Amino acid sequence: QSVLTQPPSASGTPGQRVTISCSGSSSNIGSNAVNWYQQLPGMAPKLLIDINNRRPSGVPDRFSGSKSGTSASLAISGLQSEDEADYSCAAWDDSLNAYVFGAGTKVTVL
Amino acid sequence: EVQLVESGGGWVKPGESLRLPCVVAGLTFRDAWMSWVRQAPGQGLEWVGRIKSKGGGGTTDYAAPVRGRFTISRDDSKNTVFLQMDSLKTDDTGVYYCTHITQEPAVMGHWGQGTLVTVSA
Repeated sequence: QSVLTQPPSASGTPGQRVTISCSGSSSNIGSNAVNWYQQLPGMAPKLLIDINNRRPSGVPDRFSGSKSGTSASLAISGLQSEDEADYSCAAWDDSLNAYVFGAGTKVTVL
Repeated sequence: EVQLVESGGGWVKPGESLRLPCVVAGLTFRDAWMSWVRQAPGQGLEWVGRIKSKGGGGTTDYAAPVRGRFTISRDDSKNTVFLQMDSLKTDDTGVYYCTHITQEPAVMGHWGQGTLVTVSA
């Protein structure tokens, strides 16, 4: 069972806005930055949102992250077919002294 | 361009050991913090552990499921980080990714292509 909780799936039509939630606790999201990773089918994961809520070079600006208390979310604005992938949140956990991931959310473009 | 290339994956029996090397190019390796992440078949990502640069103390941290069985080390002269896996269990089966930590404490900006480890009798 993952320390961070994500919905298993999300979907939308091209052009729609899709939001993925990530719920944690005071020892992880509540006290540390949240990062997001994208994993396209058959590929290695890629960093999508960094520790300062910024997008690494090459990541489209339709991806954005936010955080409030012990929860975070990733928004995909203007969903495109190439966004069909698994998205995982992650954060450092001060109690576990470890980096913890959510189980991932599979985004389907209808 | 940063490149991370893992090798050493394969099939082993429960209780056996395996060592995964990861050769890194395109960055100043001696200053790099490195980590390993694994992914069981059809499952999510799981952080295995990290090793800091020698300048950062050279210390290691591990996830609870592997602590005491897995060891991360580095050879800065060969731009290589290693994952030594002992007392392997069937639950350790999965793809193991070598990653470069680009932001402390563990944000992974560069990933290898992964190597598959299968633990089965």
